[in-house]
Amino acid sequence: AQKVTQTQTSISVMEKTTVTMDCVYETRDSSYFLFWYKQTASGEIVFLIRQDSYKKENATEGHYSLNFQKPKSSIGLIITATQIEDSAVYFCAMREGSNTNKVVFGTGTRLQVLP
Amino acid sequence: GPKVLQIPSHQIIDMGQMVTLNCDPVSNHLYFYWYKQILGQQMEFLVNFYNGKVMEKSKLFKDQFSVERPDGSYFTLKIQPTALEDSAVYFCASSPYGRGGTGQLYFGEGSKLTVL
Repeated sequence: AQKVTQTQTSISVMEKTTVTMDCVYETRDSSYFLFWYKQTASGEIVFLIRQDSYKKENATEGHYSLNFQKPKSSIGLIITATQIEDSAVYFCAMREGSNTNKVVFGTGTRLQVLP
Repeated sequence: GPKVLQIPSHQIIDMGQMVTLNCDPVSNHLYFYWYKQILGQQMEFLVNFYNGKVMEKSKLFKDQFSVERPDGSYFTLKIQPTALEDSAVYFCASSPYGRGGTGQLYFGEGSKLTVL
């Protein structure tokens, strides 16, 4: 069964620094998709970035990038030059590639960016 | 970007009553989902729906829960009867892809359900 684990419950960083949020996953599938979503204080949930398991290159999207370490089943989210408005809860999620469209989420990491 | 609309944003009902949460997915999307979130914590998968049928559901999707999308209208989550533990924020999501797609989801803003 697919499982996503985020061990960091809360992180605080200073504005304009770089932060990394950890996520490990479990799957028996050789093909899968990994996602990061952001939930703002208003509750809105926004897709940030995706990594396809068959791609060796780390995905990047604006000031978001991923550290995909397949042998460790790890998909870290890196935010560079953090801004106050990056303060939110960040969820890691996974969809296995075959025979399912179920998307499973981790427990989330709350990021606070301080001025 | 594409928007998923949810109605109502907040509903308060007495335990044992029926509630229907409505979702208007992005127009060309094929897969629809409901998730349950308690106190801003983990997003728990409830069910997904494709081509008029429930495809997958979790243990949280109790017998009192049902989903449908009659004639391409709202995608609805009905709970009958409600229980205290059903109090949560319910998020609807849709995906433009069927089987073989990536599973990237577009979320609504949630419907907060309070069961008294």
